[in-house]
Amino acid sequence: GAGVSQTPSNKVTEKGKYVELRCDPISGHTALYWYRQSLGQGPEFLIYFQGTGAADDSGLPNDRFFAVRPEGSVSTLKIQRTERGDSAVYLCASSFATGGYNEQFFGPGTRLTVL
Amino acid sequence: KQEVTQIPAALSVPEGENLVLNCSFTDSAIYNLQWFRQDPGKGLTSLLLIQSSQREQTSGRLNASLDKSSGRSTLYIAASQPGDSATYLCAVRNSNSGYALNFGKGTSLLVTP
Repeated sequence: GAGVSQTPSNKVTEKGKYVELRCDPISGHTALYWYRQSLGQGPEFLIYFQGTGAADDSGLPNDRFFAVRPEGSVSTLKIQRTERGDSAVYLCASSFATGGYNEQFFGPGTRLTVL
Repeated sequence: KQEVTQIPAALSVPEGENLVLNCSFTDSAIYNLQWFRQDPGKGLTSLLLIQSSQREQTSGRLNASLDKSSGRSTLYIAASQPGDSATYLCAVRNSNSGYALNFGKGTSLLVTP
């Protein structure tokens, strides 16, 4: 597709449930990033993939959060035992490579609401 | 830890005015700085990316400058239009701590007709 796509656009779940959020990067982009944006704040980094491997997962808040990118394209962010504090917009971005010049292009986000 | 601050938090101007949005960062060891626009309920649209070796970048009515040594960037918008109303976010990528972007909280801009 022309840009980064994310599904679903909205997800409402109950506390304690498991959720999966999907990201389709721009075709040909090898780097993929997940960020989380709370209301009134700037996005905060969660995890970055180069190809299939998670090159930097230092932003994941705890072990309830996990992300995969098995074929080096689509990525899934998985959240176990969701808590109300997980409610936020989850943004995915991709870039052609990871050199200093490479611009990150963002998707529309998934708004997660945990009741 | 890189801290990014954007001033003002909100700004309202009449259509046609030129305006400046400010971004400051605490660690000058950066690879690049990116300015984004975010419309309500939407994702981020990249406006300009400035490499650490560059002083400014221009795109249409937008001009972004970078003073790395003082930890500052400005986004200049010429002849503002109501369609420019959005939140503008500044983000820096550090040169010594991975590929993550460190964002400010943004400036919410309203351009009134």
